[in-house]
Amino acid sequence: QITLKESGPTLVKPTQTLTLTCTFSGFSLSTSGVGVGWIRQPPGKALEWLALIYWDDDKRYSPSLKSRLTITKDTSKNQVVLTMTNMDPVDTATYYCAHHDVVKYYFDYWGQGTLVTVSS
Amino acid sequence: QSVLTQPPSVSGAPGQRVTISCTGSSSNIGAGYDVHWYQQLPGTAPKLLIYGNSNRPSGVPDRFSGSKSGTSASLAITGLQAEDEADYYCQSYDSSLSGSGVVFGGGTKLTVL
Repeated sequence: QITLKESGPTLVKPTQTLTLTCTFSGFSLSTSGVGVGWIRQPPGKALEWLALIYWDDDKRYSPSLKSRLTITKDTSKNQVVLTMTNMDPVDTATYYCAHHDVVKYYFDYWGQGTLVTVSS
Repeated sequence: QSVLTQPPSVSGAPGQRVTISCTGSSSNIGAGYDVHWYQQLPGTAPKLLIYGNSNRPSGVPDRFSGSKSGTSASLAITGLQAEDEADYYCQSYDSSLSGSGVVFGGGTKLTVL
């Protein structure tokens, strides 16, 4: 059974750096073809893909946010960490992590999401 | 503005059939990349509904079906039920000069009348 859960601050101030952790179980990020992605959703708005990391440490970023994002993995802890710099109120959103298959290229298991509010 | 275009809303009465379109371009759907669909019930995380254009994960009723043609894809829901009221998103892969990666549609809110 695959599960994922996001954790991190619920409130950050403008210009601060956001660090979110995705803790997962039921699969290993050292298995060929496996990836974990981050997706966000501002209140009442659409899904937006942020970043992906694969079993071989290959990393992909949204072109529009690439300069602000860093994704890393700790295989021994079954965790993936996303950092986003220079946070702005427009970054207020629910942030999801999800299991991703490099061949099929969809997200088949999602975490429950964590709401991050950016406000002074 | 999303790379994939969906109608903001669709509606239908119980038992009816509705379709939701997802229009892309030559750098995503038209380039041959698969389209996937997600259902997001109010207050919950998205759930994979259709993968690889027309395949249903285990547990998804056969009332849901997907298709793809050219630069567009469609999700069809037959025998509408009240529990189908949700937001639906299409997703594909995009590769262009400005970069590449996962792309989502803007989402479609389905209302069951």
